[in-house]
Amino acid sequence: LAKTTQPISMDSYEGQEVNITCSHNNIATNDYITWYQQFPSQGPRFIIQGYKTKVTNEVASLFIPADRKSSTLSLPRVSLSDTAVYYCLAKRDNYGQNFVFGPGTRLSVLP
Amino acid sequence: NAGVTQTPKFQVLKTGQSMTLQCAQDMNHEYMSWYRQDPGMGLRLIHYSVGAGITDQGEVPNGYNVSRSTTEDFPLRLLSAAPSQTSVYFCASSYSLGRSDEQFFGPGTRLTVL
Repeated sequence: LAKTTQPISMDSYEGQEVNITCSHNNIATNDYITWYQQFPSQGPRFIIQGYKTKVTNEVASLFIPADRKSSTLSLPRVSLSDTAVYYCLAKRDNYGQNFVFGPGTRLSVLP
Repeated sequence: NAGVTQTPKFQVLKTGQSMTLQCAQDMNHEYMSWYRQDPGMGLRLIHYSVGAGITDQGEVPNGYNVSRSTTEDFPLRLLSAAPSQTSVYFCASSYSLGRSDEQFFGPGTRLTVL
């Protein structure tokens, strides 16, 4: 069962746009792509979810190409408070029920 | 709504002791789960429940028991604590197991086993 693949870490500066790409080559037809954010000493928090094309909310945008084998989370004009770990979820476990969390992408926003 | 609550926030145990981590949610969610997170790692599923009276094992169930007598509560019991169980434990809930359902996480319990 192929898990999602995303960069282990990224650095950015305040005010920049950050794009984190996730690979999910074996995504199932009915699976959604979901991103969570986790701050130190806190539980993960839902950011955004999509199935195809583009989804935007007040926090982020999610771009999903037609083949759905990858997705890109876009954070506009990041601030220091966006420093966190970002998880891309697109795969169920062998029971077909539970999402599998990978190690995520550790984003560090520098002043 | 309080969302998902967990107690205690911190706990230190000695090897061989047992204890119960409490989790409660007030959103009337059917699905609840327990994860553990080791330093620098993602979350690994321990046990989950799709409704009151129904539980099942996740990826790393050994050494843990769960029960679900009510929709609101989903306690995790460590039978005989071992140093390998030192971790941060998160409880989560969602409305169902639907493919687009958002999971809500509690604040976590940081457990150290000496």
